[in-house]
Amino acid sequence: GAGVSQTPSNKVTEKGKYVELRCDPISGHTALYWYRQSLGQGPEFLIYFQGTGAADDSGLPNDRFFAVRPEGSVSTLKIQRTERGDSAVYLCASSSRPGLAGGVGELFFGEGSRLTVL
Amino acid sequence: AQSVTQLGSHVSVSEGALVLLRCNYSSSVPPYLFWYVQYPNQGLQLLLKYTSAATLVKGINGFEAEFKKSETSFHLTKPSAHMSDAAEYFCAVSEIGGNKLVFGAGTILRVKS
Repeated sequence: GAGVSQTPSNKVTEKGKYVELRCDPISGHTALYWYRQSLGQGPEFLIYFQGTGAADDSGLPNDRFFAVRPEGSVSTLKIQRTERGDSAVYLCASSSRPGLAGGVGELFFGEGSRLTVL
Repeated sequence: AQSVTQLGSHVSVSEGALVLLRCNYSSSVPPYLFWYVQYPNQGLQLLLKYTSAATLVKGINGFEAEFKKSETSFHLTKPSAHMSDAAEYFCAVSEIGGNKLVFGAGTILRVKS
């Protein structure tokens, strides 16, 4: 597709369940980012992939959160044993540039996956 | 750590009036600075960015922002608001050589007819 695609757009789950959120970046974009946006707050960085590897996962809040990008394209954010505090919109973005140094790359964002944990 | 403060979670202006959305950053060295806009039910999109070239940056839809190192500010302005400008605006900062953006909390702009 032309833009970043995220599925599902909405996910309601129960506390303690496992959730997977998918991101399909713009074709050819090597950099992929996951952010989390809680109500009334700005996007909060979670993890950054360059190709298949996680170049920076310093934003993942704890070991219940994990993300993969096995073929350097589609990425999946995985949340184990969900808690009510995980409720947020999870945003994915991609960029054609490897990092933000020098010629700063533009991040292209998807519409997000809204996760509600009951 | 870098941070961004956006003053005013909500700003309301009349159609045709000046738009001023405030952003101050915290950084030990001049960073890269960005403004993103989020229209209802859409993803964030880049309005403009400062990357240490000209301090006055022009973006899409008539918006511009001025980098003022002495004030550590990067306020967003538009001379005349349109109804279509109603959206949420986010200021973001990145270290030079860094690999992520740090966002502010956002400012919701309301345009009254």
